[in-house]
Amino acid sequence: DTGVSQDPRHKITKRGQNVTFRCDPISEHNRLYWYRQTLGQGPEFLTYFQNEAQLEKSRLLSDRFSAERPKGSFSTLEIQRTEQGDSAMYLCASRFSREKEGYGYTFGSGTRLTVV
Amino acid sequence: RKEVEQDPGPFNVPEGATVAFNCTYSNSASQSFFWYRQDCRKEPKLLMSVYSSGNEDGRFTAQLNRASQYISLLIRDSKLSDSATYLCVVRVRGSGNTGKLIFGQGTTLQVKP
Repeated sequence: DTGVSQDPRHKITKRGQNVTFRCDPISEHNRLYWYRQTLGQGPEFLTYFQNEAQLEKSRLLSDRFSAERPKGSFSTLEIQRTEQGDSAMYLCASRFSREKEGYGYTFGSGTRLTVV
Repeated sequence: RKEVEQDPGPFNVPEGATVAFNCTYSNSASQSFFWYRQDCRKEPKLLMSVYSSGNEDGRFTAQLNRASQYISLLIRDSKLSDSATYLCVVRVRGSGNTGKLIFGQGTTLQVKP
């Protein structure tokens, strides 16, 4: 599979627990994005990496959220002390910087988080 | 106000119908424009880019009006397989050249036999 992989596909957790999601981008893609999508809404930008550097974070990314891309390959998104409002689909996308801006995005299938 | 606004629908149309979706964006620094398709519980996938000159891909026609900050998508001869959510997407020029995409809420289309 040469697409963007996300793991797990589904996660059910109790309120207050910590969760971590993983994204494996397409290997030659140096840019990686995290988005969050709630029911009935479009994806909302959370954060962006170019290689291992986190270059932008949305104000949606509260201090309970942290993302890393330690070697410029896979990325993790951690949510601490989960709240019911964190229930959403978390989407990862990657692209190669030499693509024309706005183009070349490949999205993963997402991790669906349910906080009970 | 959201940066990209769409009528969420749903649009329920019979097979063979022509349906049009509209979208407005608020940031005049928006540079690139797209329509994405998202099937239920799946990831978004690029349907087509949108240009001021208009562009067509088979039964799909997209149009951009920069002066009005308005984007449209026309689907002719609707098929059952067109049933999905259509997301209006813009890329906004940022200081860091992030290349992030801003999505609209999505418009749901249901094509009935």
